[in-house]
Amino acid sequence: EVHLLESGGGLVQPGGSLRLSCAASRFAFSDYTITWVRQAPGQGLEWVSAISRIDDIRYYADSVKGRFTVSRDNSKNIVYLQMNTLRAEDTAVYYCATDSRGVVYWGQGTLVTVSS
Amino acid sequence: DIVMTQSPDSLAVSLGERATITCKSSHSVLSSSNNKNYLGWYQQKPGQPPKLLIYWASTRESGVPDRFSGSGSGTDFILTISSLQAEDVAVYYCQQYYTTSWTFGQGTKVEVK
Repeated sequence: EVHLLESGGGLVQPGGSLRLSCAASRFAFSDYTITWVRQAPGQGLEWVSAISRIDDIRYYADSVKGRFTVSRDNSKNIVYLQMNTLRAEDTAVYYCATDSRGVVYWGQGTLVTVSS
Repeated sequence: DIVMTQSPDSLAVSLGERATITCKSSHSVLSSSNNKNYLGWYQQKPGQPPKLLIYWASTRESGVPDRFSGSGSGTDFILTISSLQAEDVAVYYCQQYYTTSWTFGQGTKVEVK
């Protein structure tokens, strides 16, 4: 079974940076596209970014394009989300997820709070 | 982007009664290559990550009670809880994973009447 674990969340000031990690285990990590989804307090789910299994093609939501960068290290089974120029509206729980044969697996999430 | 629209936004159902949530996508999520609908349903309780209930629009995830069922194809989908239990109080989301940029419905809050 796929297992994903996010880390790196915390409190950061507006304009600051944070790097999230998504560690994967129990599956062939390099074969999967990994996706980041966030959920602001009391709000719904918003797709943020994804990195493909092949050629490291990267995708971003318009709301984070130019500020966030996704990358992966297949040797360590980790995907990173580098978040720069953070805004109050980036405050959310960030989940990493992947789908395998139609089943979408999620991590437990990590909370990012952008506040002065 | 594919827009997912759920209705209703909230729903109050008596224990033991049926709850029905609909989800409409702005573009078909049916793949012609494998004839599968890239549509999932989730349950989310406060402080928890989304829990997958249904994938491929109608396949129940392992361990999910059989009172949960999904139906539909193309652009129109339904999640049915056949007999609402107290533990089913939650927010339910539909999701398309037809495109790399997943999109979600706005959520339906299910409560006990």
